[in-house]
Amino acid sequence: GAVVSQHPSWVICKSGTSVKIECRSLDFQATTMFWYRQFPKQSLMLMATSNEGSKATYEQGVEKDKFLINHASLTLSTLTVTSAHPEDSSFYICSASRTGNYGYTFGSGTRLTVV
Amino acid sequence: GQQLNQSPQSMFIQEGEDVSMNCTSSSIFNTWLWYKQEPGEGPVLLIALYKAGELTSNGRLTAQFGITRKDSFLNISASIPSDVGIYFCAGVNAGGTSYGKLTFGQGTILTVHP
Repeated sequence: GAVVSQHPSWVICKSGTSVKIECRSLDFQATTMFWYRQFPKQSLMLMATSNEGSKATYEQGVEKDKFLINHASLTLSTLTVTSAHPEDSSFYICSASRTGNYGYTFGSGTRLTVV
Repeated sequence: GQQLNQSPQSMFIQEGEDVSMNCTSSSIFNTWLWYKQEPGEGPVLLIALYKAGELTSNGRLTAQFGITRKDSFLNISASIPSDVGIYFCAGVNAGGTSYGKLTFGQGTILTVHP
């Protein structure tokens, strides 16, 4: 159990365009989902916490207007990178957690390359 | 932001050797997690620790939650080539506005030579 599906696994986009990444919990309801960003050979850095039905909470230094998060259902959260630039190229990973359960399950990640 | 101090940063070992890595923090965590990440993939949970002093095993892996709640270690015994990857510790914040969030260590890159 506790499977998190992330899509797409990789995407290449042109500078100035927007990209949407989906994170789905397949066999459980995720009241909370987290979005991370990881640069090569570095650790995961939390970008934002999204709670179903409410606004996401962004970490300091993360532009909420650039990284739009929607958590409209208990099984789906989306991250949209708006007006992408080459410096947004990174590995984006989501994780999901059941209510009261610290069994954080991670998606397989999305490699974003902005050209 | 807040970060855990994980060491060593990298290890190059021979197959069959034991491995030990640890994480320390200036903050208290109420849960410690150890993950393994392979290239191009998300982290996979190896061991979860919920109580101070807890010692938990998962096959050849053993991890402990420090008594002070500010540290944890992971041991891998009799390493094999498929143990190669990046190992991360993660602490779950105990309270306040950061409640429930994961804070990750910098990672330990493990290379196992056959």
